[in-house]
This record gives sequence, C-alpha cells and structure tokens, in this order.
Amino acid sequence: LAKTTQPISMDSYEGQEVNITCSHNNIATNDYITWYQQFPSQGPRFIIQGYKTKVTNEVASLFIPADRKSSTLSLPRVSLSDTAVYYCLVVTTSGTYKYIFGTGTRLKVLA
Amino acid sequence: NAGVTQTPKFRVLKTGQSMTLLCAQDMNHEYMYWYRQDPGMGLRLIHYSVGEGTTAKGEVPDGYNVSRLKKQNFLLGLESAAPSQTSVYFCASSYSIGTGEEYYGYTFGSGTRLTVV
Repeated sequence: LAKTTQPISMDSYEGQEVNITCSHNNIATNDYITWYQQFPSQGPRFIIQGYKTKVTNEVASLFIPADRKSSTLSLPRVSLSDTAVYYCLVVTTSGTYKYIFGTGTRLKVLA
Repeated sequence: NAGVTQTPKFRVLKTGQSMTLLCAQDMNHEYMYWYRQDPGMGLRLIHYSVGEGTTAKGEVPDGYNVSRLKKQNFLLGLESAAPSQTSVYFCASSYSIGTGEEYYGYTFGSGTRLTVV
C-alpha cells in the first residue's frame, strides 16, 4: 500500500484558494489518487480522483505531476463551510482492497 | 436513494456486553468496510468484505467480528465490549475495483457513536 503524507493542519481566509499537497513516493503504476472531505460528526465524502495531469470537477481540482509522487488538491475561493478534514488516499486497482486513511489535513477557514 | 445506512446512531454499552452494528447499502456495491475513528485521529480499518459471504481483517480487527450474509448488509459485532472500543464507527461501500474508468470512491454512512462504560 502506498503511504501518504499530508500536512496536519492549514489555515486560510474566505475567498482564498487553498492547495493541499500529498506525497506518495511509492505509488504504483495501477494506483489512483483520491481525496475525501470530512465534516465533524459525519462520514468522509469523496471529492475527486485522478491518475495523472489535472482533473477538475464542481468542487475541486487535482493536480498530479508526471512522476506521480505527489498530488495537490486545490479548493478555489474557500468559504467557512469548507472547514473540514481532507484525506488523501492512494487506491490500487488490483490485489489489495483495503484502503488506509491517514490522519488527514485539518483545514480551518477564517472569516 | 438512501446510500449507506447505519443503525443505531448512538449506543451506550456496559463493559462485557455485546452488540451488533448494522450497515445496509442500496447501491449494489460489492465491497463493504467497517472503520473506527477516535478523537483527533483518522479512520482505521477494522474488517472489510469483497463480496457476499467473504470477509477479511483490516488494521485493527481484534475484539470485533463481521458477517456478510447478504450483499447489501455488513454486520459488525462486539462480543464483549471494552472501554477501548469507545469510538465512532463508520461503514462504507464501493464498487468492485478493476481496470478502466470505474469510480473508486467510497460512500460512507453517517456513523455510530458507541460509548463503553
């Protein structure tokens, strides 16, 4: 299983763009990168996934460099409601089916 | 479409008591998982299942048992509860994993808050 490393916490102000980077040095060829968001007292919610280059949806963008050893989740113009914990997860498409969540990045958006 | 439903939402147990947490999903997902989350920590995988009738151990399986008799249900049992099992328990499900452009994300339930006194 590819181990991931993320910052423990980040602060930002409303309206700013937030970038959270995750390192996954031993990612394998068949692995995908996924990100989850968790609000207090709720289960995590899938945000975005990608394999390489850039993926964008209505919530976020995911940037993955060519070597795929890291990825960056970008949240445009955050609001107070984006305060949450964000988890980076490497998902393999074969073999192991148990996915391990790290401690995530606690994002606090300030007014 | 209910997604993943966990029952009960809250429970208080005395040490040594037993209980079963129920997880039900209506998305025809093959894979189901049980995680626990302790204060200020990430999620730790307890057990998981890749199909009806199959289960496997995760990171922290001791003190728990699971069963997947029906595809849509995944049960987590505590035979003799201990204070160390005080936690929030999350169930999740996902499609089977393979090649191609399948969606790999989990759908989580809203959690069961368990206190063992």
